[in-house]
Amino acid sequence: GAVVSQHPSWVICKSGTSVKIECRSLDFQATTMFWYRQFPKQSLMLMATSNEGSKATYEQGVEKDKFLINHASLTLSTLTVTSAHPEDSSFYICSARPQGILAKNIQYFGAGTRLSVL
Amino acid sequence: GNSVTQMEGPVTLSEEAFLTINCTYTATGYPSLFWYVQYPGEGLQLLLKATKADDKGSNKGFEATYRKETTSFHLEKGSVQVSDSAVYFCALKGQAGTALIFGKGTTLSVSS
Repeated sequence: GAVVSQHPSWVICKSGTSVKIECRSLDFQATTMFWYRQFPKQSLMLMATSNEGSKATYEQGVEKDKFLINHASLTLSTLTVTSAHPEDSSFYICSARPQGILAKNIQYFGAGTRLSVL
Repeated sequence: GNSVTQMEGPVTLSEEAFLTINCTYTATGYPSLFWYVQYPGEGLQLLLKATKADDKGSNKGFEATYRKETTSFHLEKGSVQVSDSAVYFCALKGQAGTALIFGKGTTLSVSS
């Protein structure tokens, strides 16, 4: 089946540094990628929707200057957590939707990235 | 707004027991409904889906029926296996939406 690779799987950083998370669709092209955040024992909360070649659409309450999203190609989207603080520690998950109208109900998920900010 | 509520876990069962994980939703119009499964160390995988009322999604012995009258999409399996141990997420996609809205997830542990 389709594979979405997320890297790194776990990152520990110092407070104040920036962290970049990559999301790649390995065997299909994705015009749309989604970024979610998951707190322990909570549901996945959509942070933003990323469309290739255009600016991401952020959900209410998500700081776009804090969580920079770039979707420069049909197979890669990146999420950069800028000036990370301990409250940003969480599990970040991306998903990718393949091109085509028939794929409108299909999303493939990455394995997630655990961010720990010290 | 749209939302999904699923039963709290963890659910602990013996092998071959019957499984039900409840899921109810709130949405306008006619959403599509999904169950995703997340095995340890892996990403979410689509387990089954239903796109209109009374549809039944099924896969790997799991079933769920889209019940508009009760706004529910309960997940069932007649005989669970140890390999079914995972976290199960109920989700919906609104009629006009593109993103998925998830429940909190239910952890299932099956022992032999």
